[in-house]
Amino acid sequence: DTGVSQDPRHKITKRGQNVTFRCDPISEHNRLYWYRQTLGQGPEFLTYFQNEAQLEKSRLLSDRFSAERPKGSFSTLEIQRTEQGDSAMYLCASSLGTSSYEQYFGPGTRLTVT
Amino acid sequence: DQQVKQNSPSLSVQEGRISILNCDYTNSMFDYFLWYKKYPAEGPTFLISISSIKDKNEDGRFTVFLNKSAKHLSLHIVPSQPGDSAVYFCAASNTGTASKLTFGTGTRLQVTL
Repeated sequence: DTGVSQDPRHKITKRGQNVTFRCDPISEHNRLYWYRQTLGQGPEFLTYFQNEAQLEKSRLLSDRFSAERPKGSFSTLEIQRTEQGDSAMYLCASSLGTSSYEQYFGPGTRLTVT
Repeated sequence: DQQVKQNSPSLSVQEGRISILNCDYTNSMFDYFLWYKKYPAEGPTFLISISSIKDKNEDGRFTVFLNKSAKHLSLHIVPSQPGDSAVYFCAASNTGTASKLTFGTGTRLQVTL
């Protein structure tokens, strides 16, 4: 069990550019979540996959954000036309699913939009 | 609206003493509660959880208490150790839905020698 991994760990981009983050969950976990954390706040839910199906999206996820989990394994989160307000830590978590509600988090990707 | 609240932004405790971190929630649909510990530049690490059918869960030095009528939970760490110094987040979920977590804003615990 190697835990949840995320890549890259840090990303600096200029406003208006597109960025893509990757998350590799724990291998037997069928649920995958994306959260965003800003300074002084707890993580906020963005979206959730069960296997390859995206089942819920937060209203925080504007149409500039898109997430995929094409084969039910790794997931990507893309932000188009980044804005300075997108600067945050993007966290991925996975869980086993039914009857197991603990979520295990990756180290996060810190995005800075200049 | 903040459905999960941690009203103490920071707490300082001497090594060996008990640390008590508090959390309040407003959504009565929450039925599962978790505590996470977070070090700088790392993701949150799961510590302990409790279902709403229980009022206490213990794991080593960590105990979580749940008072459903008051919509309040607390995490007790005893004895506190310097390595416990971190930010602690309380989280809640409704297991009947996507089980997404709603987090509080965190409490920074400093364990002093």
